[in-house]
Amino acid sequence: DAKTTQPPSMDCAEGRAANLPCNHSTISGNEYVYWYRQIHSQGPQYIIHGLKNNETNEMASLIITEDRKSSTLILPHATLRDTAVYYCIVRPDYSGTYKYIFGTGTRLKVLA
Amino acid sequence: ETGVTQTPRHLVMGMTNKKSLKCEQHLGHNAMYWYKQSAKKPLELMFVYNFKEQTENNSVPSRFSPECPNSSHLFLHLHTLQPEDSALYLCASSQGQGGDTEAFFGQGTRLTVV
Repeated sequence: DAKTTQPPSMDCAEGRAANLPCNHSTISGNEYVYWYRQIHSQGPQYIIHGLKNNETNEMASLIITEDRKSSTLILPHATLRDTAVYYCIVRPDYSGTYKYIFGTGTRLKVLA
Repeated sequence: ETGVTQTPRHLVMGMTNKKSLKCEQHLGHNAMYWYKQSAKKPLELMFVYNFKEQTENNSVPSRFSPECPNSSHLFLHLHTLQPEDSALYLCASSQGQGGDTEAFFGQGTRLTVV
């Protein structure tokens, strides 16, 4: 499985966009990029995922570079409730794969 | 609410006790997972089940014994645990075999071994 690298922590002002980077330089062509977040001591919450194209849903946008070696999760208008640890995961798309491997993530703190 | 329910939410047990953690999903998913999260550490994958069959055991000590009687239920049986086994135990489920399938997590069981 490809490994990911994320900054350990980031701050963002409330109401501003939060841009969380992830490096996955060894990603393979069939590996998806997933983002989850974990608010203190709760179960991880699914945010978004993508393969090649940029994706957007009600929670966030995912921007994947053309070479797919990095991506950015964008929370367009961060609120205090978005304070959490954000995990970037890559996951292969072939039969028999069921694993989600979490790294250390980025601790995002949204400041009032 | 993710559709994955874990019980109990909190558990305190002695090292000689036997207890079980329960996970239930009503999402129609066929894969279920147990993860362990120790204090200030990343989630560690423990076990994976697909259609009731174990497909992954991540070198977990035998004092942790999983059971998957059907695709909707997953148990983790605990016996003679150590204090270092105190952690947040998380259950997840997902549908499908490919990479284009997100997993949904329960709220976890906070286990304290005394």
